[in-house]
This record gives sequence, C-alpha cells and structure tokens, in this order.
Amino acid sequence: GAVVSQHPSRVICKSGTSVKIECRSLDFQATTMFWYRQFPKQSLMLMATSNEGSKATYEQGVEKDKFLINHASLTLSTLTVTSAHPEDSSFYICSARGNIFSTQYFGPGTRLTVL
Amino acid sequence: AQSVSQHNHHVILSEAASLELGCNYSYGGTVNLFWYVQYPGQHLQLLLKYFSGDPLVKGIKGFEAEFIKSKFSFNLRKPSVQWSDTAEYFCAVTLNTGFQKLVFGTGTRLLVSP
Repeated sequence: GAVVSQHPSRVICKSGTSVKIECRSLDFQATTMFWYRQFPKQSLMLMATSNEGSKATYEQGVEKDKFLINHASLTLSTLTVTSAHPEDSSFYICSARGNIFSTQYFGPGTRLTVL
Repeated sequence: AQSVSQHNHHVILSEAASLELGCNYSYGGTVNLFWYVQYPGQHLQLLLKYFSGDPLVKGIKGFEAEFIKSKFSFNLRKPSVQWSDTAEYFCAVTLNTGFQKLVFGTGTRLLVSP
C-alpha cells in the first residue's frame, strides 16, 4: 500500500520558537494532503486541506498565521507551528491522497511538546 | 455540519467473542464511509470503505461493515476477535462533494483479553 512518512516523529521545543513538520508521500503523487491534530484520547480534528501549488484551506477556528502550511510539490507538504506555546502541544498527523476518488493514507504522526 | 458518532468509547472482549462497533453519521446527502484502525504505537490504517454498491463491505483481517442508509449507520463487525485486534477504531465519513474531507468519530478503544 501507499506510504506516507512524517519527520520528525517527536520534537520538543521552547515556547516562542517555530517548528516545522514534514509530510511526504513516498510512492505516489499526492494531489491533496490533510493535516490533523489529535488530542489525548480524542479523535482526529482536521486542521487544513492543502492542494499542491495552491493555498491551504483552513478549518474554522484554526489560525492560518500560526499554522503555516506549504504544499510545494506532489510529494511534500510542511506544517510550521509558529511561535509555539504549551497549548500547541499535541499529536499532529498528516494524510495524503492521490486524487479525489482515492483513499487517504496516513502518516505516523509527530508528537510536539512545547515547554 | 456533519458529524459522526461512535457510541462505544471502550470495549473489552475475550478472545473469540463477536464484535460490533456502532457508527452513525448525520448527513442527508451521498456519503462515503470508512473504518480506520490504529494499533498501539502505529499510524492509522484503512480497514474497509464503502462508496457504493453492496452495502455489506468486507475488509481486511476478517472485518466487515454494513451500511444501512435508513439508519445512517455503518457498524463494524467481526465474528471472532483475536488479541491482536486490540486497537482503537475510528469511523469516518466524507461527503461526496468538494475536497471530500474525512470527518472522524471519537473512536472506540477495543481491548481483547487472551
């Protein structure tokens, strides 16, 4: 099956710094990538949808200036958490899809801890 | 806005017991339905999906789900669970429009005791 990787798997940073998380589709071209946030013992909450070469579409309540998403190629999307604060600590998961009719494949997630 | 409800938050079963996990969604239009599984320490994997056709869908590892349109339900079943089925199970829905974003249920933690 299709493989999606994320890097890093874990990151710890100080409050006020920025953190970049990469999401790559390893064996297929991802027209669309999604970014989710998962709180402990809760479900995945969609943060934004990104299509290659265009601006991301953010869900209601997600600050686009805080969570910068770039989808510059068909195999790479990045999420940058700017000026991170402890409340941004969470598990961030990306998924990728080849086309609108295909299945979403999920990455292993990145655990962000902001001190 | 559409939502997905999973009624069982925690389920504990013994090996060989039968499993049924409930999933209901709230949307009157055409939907695509999914069950994902997350094993401990692993990423989400697709168990099965329904787009159209036979409402009884068979997935991997002996799982199946039945789409009942009149009940807005897509329950997951397995006749005999194994210890290795211990995981968290998520029901998800996409609308058949726009980006087809996945909307997830809250998940059900299944613990199978040997």
